[in-house]
Amino acid sequence: ETGVTQTPRHLVMGMTNKKSLKCEQHLGHNAMYWYKQSAKKPLELMFVYNFKEQTENNSVPSRFSPECPNSSHLFLHLHTLQPEDSALYLCASSQARDGQETQYFGPGTRLLVL
Amino acid sequence: GQNIDQPTEMTATEGAIVQINCTYQTSGFNGLFWYQQHAGEAPTFLSYNVLDGLEEKGRFSSFLSRSKGYSYLLLKELQMKDSASYLCAVRDSNYQLIWGAGTKLIIKP
Repeated sequence: ETGVTQTPRHLVMGMTNKKSLKCEQHLGHNAMYWYKQSAKKPLELMFVYNFKEQTENNSVPSRFSPECPNSSHLFLHLHTLQPEDSALYLCASSQARDGQETQYFGPGTRLLVL
Repeated sequence: GQNIDQPTEMTATEGAIVQINCTYQTSGFNGLFWYQQHAGEAPTFLSYNVLDGLEEKGRFSSFLSRSKGYSYLLLKELQMKDSASYLCAVRDSNYQLIWGAGTKLIIKP
């Protein structure tokens, strides 16, 4: 148990669907992250929120839309995705965006886009 | 560009020792992390090195040489449960984490 939960664990969606991924951290951290993990590739950082403010958006397509209502919750809204978006989406949190913080990960949502 | 290199896959025998290497080229250095990730599960933090030398934590040790841009993770007395992917990540001068693609470690009886 890492203190970071994600739902759903698995998701299958069509290219015209709209869905949302949810992440919640119970560690009292101030920063939250969305990563994309594809097979045999490095983790790709998508978005960073520090004290609820988005501080990074690494050229992610607009079909991915993050939302951070408070320091404990993070959402990733999905719409009109493409098959190449199929991957494991990981959420992480840390004490702060800068400094010597360690990131703690959730179990991920396995997404399949048909 | 920035990159992290680590072997794609390694195989070792239960009870033995294995060393997983990681080399990096990054713009600046503010620490190196090792994470373990079992299939279908979250990456979990193993170790953090910011100074040169060896950090030991039970059966796992991590070594860093900043001048060589090199680290390794040493696993002793291997157990079947150590079968997992091991991810190396370096924090650059902007405190951005640069990730390797991971090393899949297979333990055989």
